[in-house]
Amino acid sequence: GNSVTQMEGPVTLSEEAFLTINCTYTATGYPSLFWYVQYPGEGLQLLLKATKADDKGSNKGFEATYRKETTSFHLEKGSVQVSDSAVYFCALRPWLSGGGADGLTFGKGTHLIIQP
Amino acid sequence: NAGVTQTPKFRVLKTGQSMTLLCAQDMNHEYMYWYRQDPGMGLRLIHYSVGEGTTAKGEVPDGYNVSRLKKQNFLLGLESAAPSQTSVYFCASSLRRVGTEAFFGQGTRLTVV
Repeated sequence: GNSVTQMEGPVTLSEEAFLTINCTYTATGYPSLFWYVQYPGEGLQLLLKATKADDKGSNKGFEATYRKETTSFHLEKGSVQVSDSAVYFCALRPWLSGGGADGLTFGKGTHLIIQP
Repeated sequence: NAGVTQTPKFRVLKTGQSMTLLCAQDMNHEYMYWYRQDPGMGLRLIHYSVGEGTTAKGEVPDGYNVSRLKKQNFLLGLESAAPSQTSVYFCASSLRRVGTEAFFGQGTRLTVV
């Protein structure tokens, strides 16, 4: 079956540090890959996505590149801010089985804490 | 544009009580989902629907039932609540098109005592 593995936190960084959150996946075919962010007390918001190999998704200074050869979709940001403190989820939507009719598969989430 | 709206936002139930969570979306999405979020477990799919009048089981369906009588609404029911169902419940919807993302509601925090 499909699965997503991401580093578990909490990850604590100082403001302006470089961020990497690792994400690897197992899936058949060519899944679409996503990063979602969840701020305290809120739902999940799409941060970025990539739908095919070598695509780079980017938004708000965050980037992730779809690497099919390593089945990875690592999230990076060059200089984090206190406002980036949140929980980040890596997810995939399968190409097969109706293109995701049975939902996205999520990693367990990474709690990111940015200290001033 | 409301997106995905869940009601209620908070609820406390006694063991054995029943309740229904309502999810409404105004984006004309074909697919709808119910997830639960528990500490250290990420999001797990309870049930989903690929269109009006259809439902299917996800990863953790036991103790829950769902209905989708209208395309825009997806109801999650707990017939006899148990403390193990204490969780945060999220509804989501998406287009049928491959590669598109799911949109999430704000969540319902349910406590069963």
